[in-house]
Amino acid sequence: EPEVTQTPSHQVTQMGQEVILRCVPISNHLYFYWYRQILGQKVEFLVSFYNNEISEKSEIFDDQFSVERPDGSNFTLKIRSTKLEDSAMYFCASTSGTVSSYEQYFGPGTRLTVT
Amino acid sequence: AQTVTQSQPEMSVQEAETVTLSCTYDTSESDYYLFWYKQPPSRQMILVIRQEAYKQQNATENRFSVNFQKAAKSFSLKISDSQLGDAAMYFCAYRNSYNDMRFGAGTRLTVKP
Repeated sequence: EPEVTQTPSHQVTQMGQEVILRCVPISNHLYFYWYRQILGQKVEFLVSFYNNEISEKSEIFDDQFSVERPDGSNFTLKIRSTKLEDSAMYFCASTSGTVSSYEQYFGPGTRLTVT
Repeated sequence: AQTVTQSQPEMSVQEAETVTLSCTYDTSESDYYLFWYKQPPSRQMILVIRQEAYKQQNATENRFSVNFQKAAKSFSLKISDSQLGDAAMYFCAYRNSYNDMRFGAGTRLTVKP
């Protein structure tokens, strides 16, 4: 069964450094998402992406965040200058966009630790 | 804005017994989808069950079923014959068409042997 993959599974970085989290959505999917889950808290929406542009973003997704689909298969989340409060689990998700499809398939997540 | 509320931060159930997790949501939309996700200690998000708002029939998936009350905006999850492997965080989620998913705060389910 096709699945969403994410790399790395765990990233440790120092405050102020740039990180790139990578996701490979399911190949025929058209809509892509990033979510964040701070330890012990609920999953929060960051951004959605369709047709090579951001379709919606939350208030969390400020100027230090950016997303990109550089090569038609990868979907990346970049944090330009990490802060301690960026430490969280980051989930990528995708959906096919057909009328009958409404399930978002989640990747296994990347645990980001900012020290 | 759509909001999802899970009023039970923690629940426990005896193995083989039945437990119901509550979820309410707020929306002005008529067409939307509701989900229950399970998050075990590995923190992977696993879809348990889903319900289309236009369907009156409650969704069922093996030991998991929902009680969907559209007028009351309520979407509870019933787990029958609970197993030790059911222990996890359970998140209720709402989604309108292709938009983002809105999650509740979660309910931590403990299963006692």
